[in-house]
Amino acid sequence: TQLLEQSPQFLSIQEGENLTVYCNSSSVFSSLQWYRQEPGEGPVLLVTVVTGGEVKKLKRLTFQFGDARKDSSLHITAAQPGDTGLYLCAGLYGVLNSGGSNYKLTFGKGTLLTVNP
Amino acid sequence: DVKVTQSSRYLVKRTGEKVFLECVQDMDHENMFWYRQDPGLGLRLIYFSYDVKMKEKGDIPEGYSVSREKKERFSLILESASTNQTSMYLCASSFDINPNQPQHFGDGTRLSIL
Repeated sequence: TQLLEQSPQFLSIQEGENLTVYCNSSSVFSSLQWYRQEPGEGPVLLVTVVTGGEVKKLKRLTFQFGDARKDSSLHITAAQPGDTGLYLCAGLYGVLNSGGSNYKLTFGKGTLLTVNP
Repeated sequence: DVKVTQSSRYLVKRTGEKVFLECVQDMDHENMFWYRQDPGLGLRLIYFSYDVKMKEKGDIPEGYSVSREKKERFSLILESASTNQTSMYLCASSFDINPNQPQHFGDGTRLSIL
């Protein structure tokens, strides 16, 4: 199983501050996905990054995939209380199984972000 | 929008019982997954299925089995429930054609084994 380390595990900040969440591995991934999970709900996809060095923006959120496709970061500018949630990164890698080749996602343990008004 | 529906939000069972968790998706997805989510351990894959009647073990299959008799339905079975299976269980589905397609999750079943 490929491992993904997320940091920090917990983050509590004031509204308007900037923050960065990191996702690191020693393994290379085909792509990397970021999800946000709110209390009582399942994770929801925010973005998929595929190419090494790729940067994607989603309003105040900026996602970057490392050049070697082993790490990624999520930067939030001017955080708002609505950004509160568990942020999960997930790396996609190929596996061989009885049905032929397939892909699996491995998830980091998540960063629990609290944005206080 | 894709909808993944898990049959129960909360479930309380006793040790030794056989427990069924049901999941249905409405977008004709090929792949379906069962995860458990525990504090400090994140999401861990229990089983997945890439076609009807097909199944593959994930990272922690011990104590679980699955059934996929129809494309839209994927069931997780705890053969003899134990207290260490108390957890949040999440079902997900995705298209098979493009592996970069997202996984769509249900809202989870919080299972307590007493």
